[in-house]
Amino acid sequence: EVQLVQSGAVMKKPGESLMISCKASGYKFTSYYINWVRQMPGKGLEWLGAIAPFDSSNTYNPSFRGHVSVSVDRSVSTAFLQWRSLKVSDSALYYCARRPVSGARMAMDVWGKGTTVSVSS
Amino acid sequence: EVVLTQSPGTLSLSPGERATLSCRASQPLNSDFLAWYQQKPGQAPRLLLFGASFRAIGVPDRFSGGGSGTEFSLTISWLEPEDFALYYCQQYGDSPFTFGPGTKLEI
Repeated sequence: EVQLVQSGAVMKKPGESLMISCKASGYKFTSYYINWVRQMPGKGLEWLGAIAPFDSSNTYNPSFRGHVSVSVDRSVSTAFLQWRSLKVSDSALYYCARRPVSGARMAMDVWGKGTTVSVSS
Repeated sequence: EVVLTQSPGTLSLSPGERATLSCRASQPLNSDFLAWYQQKPGQAPRLLLFGASFRAIGVPDRFSGGGSGTEFSLTISWLEPEDFALYYCQQYGDSPFTFGPGTKLEI
């Protein structure tokens, strides 16, 4: 079964660092981009950025560049989203989702269940 | 950045009726890179259509999509109770990829 399993909910304080994960299974990890999408409470979807596991190249939404970073560990088929210094406004539900590297027309067809990040002093 | 606008914001219909949801882009899109997602409360988004008109695996054929340029649509030909949800369009041809604000389909 194709799955993206995300790490559990976390509570942090402003200024702290955080890394959340997205573990892929059931498919060839390097054949799909991993995208990260934010959903603030009661709001819509925002694309943060993506990474290509085959070469770790990445692209970011300018609105989030410099505040978050994406990475992968191919040895464990896992992608990561990281913050060096969290803000209260980072409180949201974060999804990872895959999109094929080839088959250009295909969109984000498999999503993780999401990781809730709560930032409060 | 491509801005997507969805209308209506809320659509109130009954099971068995036909629903048409619209998505307008701030600039012409390559229709190969327009998708529609469904999201139910407490769940992750689910891909319905990609390339404007291609159904994802497992999506019933009552869901169809079309359009080109700056105007796209999602049609649900007859509504089932499980179709009442939030629907988002997304363009993934130009970075940053962007989503519309969503249309809530309610009974």
